[in-house]
Amino acid sequence: DQQVKQNSPSLSVQEGRISILNCDYTNSMFDYFLWYKKYPAEGPTFLISISSIKDKNEDGRFTVFLNKSAKHLSLHIVPSQPGDSAVYFCAASERNTGNQFYFGTGTSLTVIP
Amino acid sequence: GAVVSQHPSRVICKSGTSVKIECRSLDFQATTMFWYRQFPKQSLMLMATSNEGSKATYEQGVEKDKFLINHASLTLSTLTVTSAHPEDSSFYICSASDRGHQPQHFGDGTRLSIL
Repeated sequence: DQQVKQNSPSLSVQEGRISILNCDYTNSMFDYFLWYKKYPAEGPTFLISISSIKDKNEDGRFTVFLNKSAKHLSLHIVPSQPGDSAVYFCAASERNTGNQFYFGTGTSLTVIP
Repeated sequence: GAVVSQHPSRVICKSGTSVKIECRSLDFQATTMFWYRQFPKQSLMLMATSNEGSKATYEQGVEKDKFLINHASLTLSTLTVTSAHPEDSSFYICSASDRGHQPQHFGDGTRLSIL
């Protein structure tokens, strides 16, 4: 049972434009969400997180939005750069149950120069 | 730089071989490490939680005797795939957290191919 879903396996965006990556979850108990970025042949690297007490968290070009009622979060990258081309995973967890994270299937972002 | 080192990065071996994968936290102590498995075009699936000094906690459906986990020290956890078969071919990746519920640091993964 996939508790975290990324329905778009791939996304192509022109350099300088906004990239929007989406993620949906089913477990209403999730209260901590993260985005990871993964290059080929490397492990995922942490990008940005958001706690359920917030609906937005911003770090430079990256902003994560959380809509708890819709059980939806999104990652916005503005402006997109060719170096942003990678696979992006969202992950969710319920803090009280420990450190277990549930991952989406990933979205492959290609930023076209 | 990398804070979690995973070795080897690629293994190709014959069916029936046992394969050991190491996961090391380089500049922090990790009382808990995590082992994931990823099939093509699927998400990272948690296999087990490795606890230093105690037995690992396995997720439902993961065979304990097949995937042996040893967390011998605060910086090293190992996953041994015993008597590996072609269906065990997958991408295995470990992660560790240096404190509490902070974002996990991932190793670069191990691509295991069983012939």
